[in-house]
Amino acid sequence: NAGVTQTPKFQVLKTGQSMTLQCAQDMNHNSMYWYRQDPGMGLRLIYYSASEGTTDKGEVPNGYNVSRLNKREFSLRLESAAPSQTSVYFCASSWDRGAYEQYFGPGTRLTVT
Amino acid sequence: TQLLEQSPQFLSIQEGENLTVYCNSSSVFSSLQWYRQEPGEGPVLLVTVVTGGEVKKLKRLTFQFGDARKDSSLHITAAQPGDTGLYLCAGPTGANNLFFGTGTRLTVIP
Repeated sequence: NAGVTQTPKFQVLKTGQSMTLQCAQDMNHNSMYWYRQDPGMGLRLIYYSASEGTTDKGEVPNGYNVSRLNKREFSLRLESAAPSQTSVYFCASSWDRGAYEQYFGPGTRLTVT
Repeated sequence: TQLLEQSPQFLSIQEGENLTVYCNSSSVFSSLQWYRQEPGEGPVLLVTVVTGGEVKKLKRLTFQFGDARKDSSLHITAAQPGDTGLYLCAGPTGANNLFFGTGTRLTVIP
């Protein structure tokens, strides 16, 4: 039982390059999330998908796009990376939104130079 | 203004000591969750508190939800090096998502 998996684990980009972070869950959860974690800032919600076929902006969506490919997979795309997007990115899933327990992936450490 | 303020931000203690960390808000929450995040990993849920005044114990960890459901505390008895990590509290917002506090980074020195 893998839970939530993320790829890649580490990535270095140059300013202006694009990339897609992949996330998959095998718990049949309805809701999925992308967060970024920066020192002293906690976890901030970028985008979420309440259910298959829907996506919505979170607290810090600028510079990102998402796709809920199916119930299992939720990807995060950076179209033109900027140094301000240097961060650790976490994907999470839960049975539903709100107060349900969230299960997190191991994170992707992204550096934009 | 942060919805959830956690204190202290950093805490370094010797093995065997007791400690308490806090999660405070000016808003009322229907529930609060506590997560622990170890280096290089994602957060993992420890407990959810739901009722004002509720106390939950998880081995040496004691969690309390304030009577007014605006604050919560985590007390660790006889801390061990395995307790080292980032402790995060989180509560559901009006937008029906979880808002995370900035966390308390605990280091337990052997």
